[in-house]
Amino acid sequence: NAGVMQNPRHLVRRRGQEARLRCSPMKGHSHVYWYRQLPEEGLKFMVYLQKENIIDESGMPKERFSAEFPKEGPSILRIQQVVRGDSAAYFCASSPWRGRGNEQFFGPGTRLTVL
Amino acid sequence: ILNVEQSPQSLHVQEGDSTNFTCSFPSSNFYALHWYRWETAKSPEALFVMTLNGDEKKKGRISATLNTKEGYSYLYIKGSQPEDSATYLCAFIYNTDKLIFGTGTRLQVFP
Repeated sequence: NAGVMQNPRHLVRRRGQEARLRCSPMKGHSHVYWYRQLPEEGLKFMVYLQKENIIDESGMPKERFSAEFPKEGPSILRIQQVVRGDSAAYFCASSPWRGRGNEQFFGPGTRLTVL
Repeated sequence: ILNVEQSPQSLHVQEGDSTNFTCSFPSSNFYALHWYRWETAKSPEALFVMTLNGDEKKKGRISATLNTKEGYSYLYIKGSQPEDSATYLCAFIYNTDKLIFGTGTRLQVFP
């Protein structure tokens, strides 16, 4: 059973371009979470999605960021018109169900560098 | 604002020493507390998920305790080994499934 997959592992974008980060959850997992680690900071929650639904997006910046988890295919975190401050490591995690005692399995992360 | 504090920030110990770290979290609306082990260039790996006051969990030489009434959890490593070197993160869940992480304790074990 493959773990959580993220691609690309490293992404370089120039200011104003779009960044698309992909996350394939573990097999059988229908819950996906995105976290961001800014330089010199800890992991911060961004968004929680279940298949085709956004459950909690309270950690997402109000502009330029969006996330989806379609019925088929990976979850996508999309950053439009990237700025230097978006440079960070973006991690996704997945879980099979929701509730207390629920373990989240993390992917290896995508390191975004904005030039 | 929900805050999760971890101490110490970093720790250097000799192989064979036992060590422990603290995680402090808000005691109201507690839902669950997670401990993760994060090695450089790898994914965070779950160690324990703790939900009940007084919980004690153990995995090999690593164990954890939980006090939800006063808002703290301890992680213990008995007889530290160089392969235990990593950052240990705790994360708090209060009423949804999003993890609120502390900044971690960076452990370095010297042979």
